[in-house]
Amino acid sequence: GAGVSQSPSNKVTEKGKDVELRCDPISGHTALYWYRQSLGQGLEFLIYFQGNSAPDKSGLPSDRFSAERTGGSVSTLTIQRTQQEDSAVYLCASKRGGSQETQYFGPGTRLLVL
Amino acid sequence: SQQGEEDPQALSIQEGENATMNCSYKTSINNLQWYRQNSGRGLVHLILIRSNEREKHSGRLRVTLDTSKKSSSLLITASRAADTASYFCATDANNAGNMLTFGGGTRLMVKP
Repeated sequence: GAGVSQSPSNKVTEKGKDVELRCDPISGHTALYWYRQSLGQGLEFLIYFQGNSAPDKSGLPSDRFSAERTGGSVSTLTIQRTQQEDSAVYLCASKRGGSQETQYFGPGTRLLVL
Repeated sequence: SQQGEEDPQALSIQEGENATMNCSYKTSINNLQWYRQNSGRGLVHLILIRSNEREKHSGRLRVTLDTSKKSSSLLITASRAADTASYFCATDANNAGNMLTFGGGTRLMVKP
């Protein structure tokens, strides 16, 4: 079946602008995660959604970052007033419910803030 | 912050040789997963090993887990040029959301 998809693949923006990144999880997966991969910080967790529960936002680096998940499926990560340090690859993953399930990752969105 | 470290950070071998990558972590875990990443993009899942398992195989891959030492290893046998990639271990620390904490990765180059 189809895997996790993300759009856009690449995004170049100017400092101060807002950006939206989209993730389409695998159909039927109730859990959705956003991670960020940057040169300085490696791969780090940002936010987690499980079903209709309130998201776990403990990994978001600042209040400029927010995410939502509509209808328990598609998710959008929004970065407001982008800064150069936001430049990174943003990865989305989804998995079935259950603690021993594998997380499947999308291809990522490469964000460059000029 | 990263859970642990992987070593080596970089490994270069000839095709046909075996490659061993190690991962150490700090907290108790629910499971440990290994991923491969090509060209800095999406992560491909390789193997998940549960905390009560000691060894797992998948094709040319063999993963071991030693929870007493908080370490894991990934062995790729009979390597191929196509195995060239970065390899990451990720731990699920049995938190409520099962979010993963990644190591720094090992960059493997397999020369034809």
